[in-house]
Amino acid sequence: DSGVTQTPKHLITATGQRVTLRCSPRSGDLSVYWYQQSLDQGLQFLIQYYNGEERAKGNILERFSAQQFPDLHSELNLSSLELGDSALYFCASSVSGTSGIEQYFGPGTRLTVT
Amino acid sequence: QKEVEQDPGPLSVPEGAIVSLNCTYSNSAFQYFMWYRQYSRKGPELLMYTYSSGNKEDGRFTAQVDKSSKYISLFIRDSQPSDSATYLCAMRDSGGSNYKLTFGKGTLLTVNP
Repeated sequence: DSGVTQTPKHLITATGQRVTLRCSPRSGDLSVYWYQQSLDQGLQFLIQYYNGEERAKGNILERFSAQQFPDLHSELNLSSLELGDSALYFCASSVSGTSGIEQYFGPGTRLTVT
Repeated sequence: QKEVEQDPGPLSVPEGAIVSLNCTYSNSAFQYFMWYRQYSRKGPELLMYTYSSGNKEDGRFTAQVDKSSKYISLFIRDSQPSDSATYLCAMRDSGGSNYKLTFGKGTLLTVNP
């Protein structure tokens, strides 16, 4: 158990809908990262937050957005969902002062868009 | 050309074999090189990392980085069935507070008892 929690575990929804994925980092970790994992693209970095502020952006679609709250939990919002958004979404957190090298991943949320 | 290339396998070996997993990359700015292990239906977990070139050993695992060839390797000695998992290489540059990791697609390893 990495100490990172994600809810829900599974999500099934229809095209065009909007969903919110939730992540709680390990106690004391200020950085939160979101990743998308699919069979064809592998594990892709989406976005990083540090203590409530956006720090880095990767291949995140405009239909996706994220935020980190004062209690450090984070939410990833996915809207206007398409079939191709079906994937595993991971959240990770890292210890401050480790340059983001040691990232601890949550168990993931499996999103299925039908 | 993708920034990080990794042979997806699958790789199947008998218990006790030496396993070699590899990645190549194109971005010469990468300075940190990591290996993550991912069991089925779980999140990735960090195995080990190296900074710049050189070797690093941790128990049965050895990571090697050759920056001149843009090639990294992970060796597993005396492989065990519990090593059966997908192994992902990951890299990042050394710049600032951008902690973006770039991952390979992963190699699926099965160690047969």
